[in-house]
Amino acid sequence: DAGVTQSPTHLIKTRGQHVTLRCSPISGHKSVSWYQQVLGQGPQFIFQYYEKEERGRGNFPDRFSARQFPNYSSELNVNALLLGDSALYLCASSLSTGWQETQYFGPGTRLLVL
Amino acid sequence: AQSVTQPDIHITVSEGASLELRCNYSYGATPYLFWYVQSPGQGLQLLLKYFSGDTLVQGIKGFEAEFKRSQSSFNLRKPSVHWSDAAEYFCALAAYYNTDKLIFGTGTRLQVFP
Repeated sequence: DAGVTQSPTHLIKTRGQHVTLRCSPISGHKSVSWYQQVLGQGPQFIFQYYEKEERGRGNFPDRFSARQFPNYSSELNVNALLLGDSALYLCASSLSTGWQETQYFGPGTRLLVL
Repeated sequence: AQSVTQPDIHITVSEGASLELRCNYSYGATPYLFWYVQSPGQGLQLLLKYFSGDTLVQGIKGFEAEFKRSQSSFNLRKPSVHWSDAAEYFCALAAYYNTDKLIFGTGTRLQVFP
C-alpha cells in the first residue's frame, strides 16, 4: 500500500506569492494533519482535518489555510509568503482521531521563499 | 504549558555501543508520549508510544523507552546501535483536548561512527 504522498517535493517562491501544497493520505485514512518544520526545529502543528471538518488549528496567522476534500486528500494554502515561511511542510494521516490511532507522516514538501 | 525538551542537540556513538536519548516533558495530566525518527529526506516514522500501563515500552528497530512520572521523562534506549540508526530523533507529547496535535521537542541528531 502507498504511504502518505505529498506534492510537490520541492518548491521555490518569492516573498508575497501564494503557495498550495497537497497531501494524499493512506487509503482509508480520514484524518489529515499539517505540520511546519523549520530547519533545526521540531515540527509545529498547523491544522488537523477530519471528515472534511477542521478539528484543530495551531498558532499560525490567517495567511495559512487548509481544506480537506471528499476523497480525504488535503491542501495547505499559504498567502503573502514571508521569508520565515521557508520550511519543510509535513502531512500526517490516520484512520480516525484519537491517540490510539498512529499518525503516518509523508516525506514533506520543502518550501524555500526568496 | 505543555512542552517537550530534548537536552541533547547532537550525540555521537560508536557502532555497537548503547544509546540513551533524553526527553523531558511538561504536562498537567497523564501524558501520551511518542518517539519518532527522521532520516534525511524522509518523513517521520513512529518508533514507539506510551499511553498507560507498563512504563517500559518496546518499539520497532530494537528501541525501547521508559516513562518515569517522577522525573517527567521518557528516555529512548537501544542496547547496541547500528550505523543505520544515524538520524534525527524527536520526542513528542499529545495535546489531546480536542485535536490530535503533537507537540515535538527540538530533536536530537544521532551520529554513528564505525
